[in-house]
Amino acid sequence: DAGVIQSPRHEVTEMGQEVTLRCKPISGHNSLFWYRQTMMRGLELLIYFNNNVPIDDSGMPEDRFSAKMPNASFSTLKIQPSEPRDSAVYFCASSLGQGIGAQYFGPGTRLTVT
Amino acid sequence: DQQVKQNSPSLSVQEGRISILNCDYTNSMFDYFLWYKKYPAEGPTFLISISSIKDKNEDGRFTVFLNKSAKHLSLHIVPSQPGDSAVYFCAAKWGDSGGSNYKLTFGKGTLLTVNP
Repeated sequence: DAGVIQSPRHEVTEMGQEVTLRCKPISGHNSLFWYRQTMMRGLELLIYFNNNVPIDDSGMPEDRFSAKMPNASFSTLKIQPSEPRDSAVYFCASSLGQGIGAQYFGPGTRLTVT
Repeated sequence: DQQVKQNSPSLSVQEGRISILNCDYTNSMFDYFLWYKKYPAEGPTFLISISSIKDKNEDGRFTVFLNKSAKHLSLHIVPSQPGDSAVYFCAAKWGDSGGSNYKLTFGKGTLLTVNP
């Protein structure tokens, strides 16, 4: 079975540009999470969707960040405009049910904003 | 305010010996704990978990111990293998019901190196 799929794996962009990260969760999973990993703060939850509905976006750093989940098999995380401090690895994870068991992570997108 | 702490950034052990990775937490509401393993350029992979109603859970070479009174858990790997070399994250969540039981709080990780 395919795991969580993320694209692109690497993204290098200039400050001020729009960045869109994509995620395909594991088929049948109805919970989706976006995380950001930095050296300073470790792994932080940005936003959580359940059944395609955003439930908790309290971790989204500011209005420049937005996320959508138009259907059960696709989600995007958009940063507009991007800033150098957004440089990090962004992970998407999915799970079956809201609180059941573990979350399964994708390989991540390494974002560099120059 | 770090609610889940992994105080050792790194650990080095010899192949065949035991690796012990430690994790402390401050939030007494946490009732479910997980360990993830992460290789470079990959996402974290779920390894093993434990509910707060237990004090031990074992899966092959991996055993997690939970000491609720001390708010401490540990992951034991016996015997350690070079392929176990990775970053290990401790994570915790709370709430069997209600709206918060999805939220994982992660430690910052411990880099384990198993030397041949």
